[in-house]
Amino acid sequence: AQKVTQAQTEISVVEKEDVTLDCVYETRDTTYYLFWYKQPPSGELVFLIRRNSFDEQNEISGRYSWNFQKSTSSFNFTITASQVVDSAVYFCALSEGTSGSRLTFGEGTQLTVNP
Amino acid sequence: DTAVSQTPKYLVTQMGNDKSIKCEQNLGHDTMYWYKQDSKKFLKIMFSYNNKELIINETVPNRFSPKSPDKAHLNLHINSLELGDSAVYFCASSPGRLAGGETQYFGPGTRLLVL
Repeated sequence: AQKVTQAQTEISVVEKEDVTLDCVYETRDTTYYLFWYKQPPSGELVFLIRRNSFDEQNEISGRYSWNFQKSTSSFNFTITASQVVDSAVYFCALSEGTSGSRLTFGEGTQLTVNP
Repeated sequence: DTAVSQTPKYLVTQMGNDKSIKCEQNLGHDTMYWYKQDSKKFLKIMFSYNNKELIINETVPNRFSPKSPDKAHLNLHINSLELGDSAVYFCASSPGRLAGGETQYFGPGTRLLVL
């Protein structure tokens, strides 16, 4: 069975600090996909990134970067120079290749960036 | 243009009532989903349809019934509403390959409150 764990329930930082959100996953499939979504206070779910299990290259998009390590089953998300607008709940999610795109979400991490 | 839309955005109703939530996507996707987000922000899949065919049916009370009149619409009917049904319900869509791992794009959510 697939499982995603986000051990950090809440993180609070001061603006301009770097922050890393942890995500650990469990799956028996060799083909799987990992995602991060952002849920700002307005409530919508915003797609951030998708990664497949065969691509361990780290990715950077502006202030966002993702570190995928199969050896530790982790897919961590770092925000550099955080801003108040980054305050949101961030979800890590997993989809197995055999599960028909079913997304299994972690519990989410509430990030608060204070001015 | 809104990619995935849901109506209504808010729904307040009494226990025992029957209600429906509508979802429409204009992305040309073949697969649509319903997720439930509980009071602790935990997201869990309920149903998935591919081209009007039910492909995922999680352990959901049979008071919940999805209906897909065409591949651009997926509605959720809830009969005999209970207090525990209070949650945010998200509709999502993805292109439609059944191999898994597709990026899902979410609607704005419908906040249901059962009194």
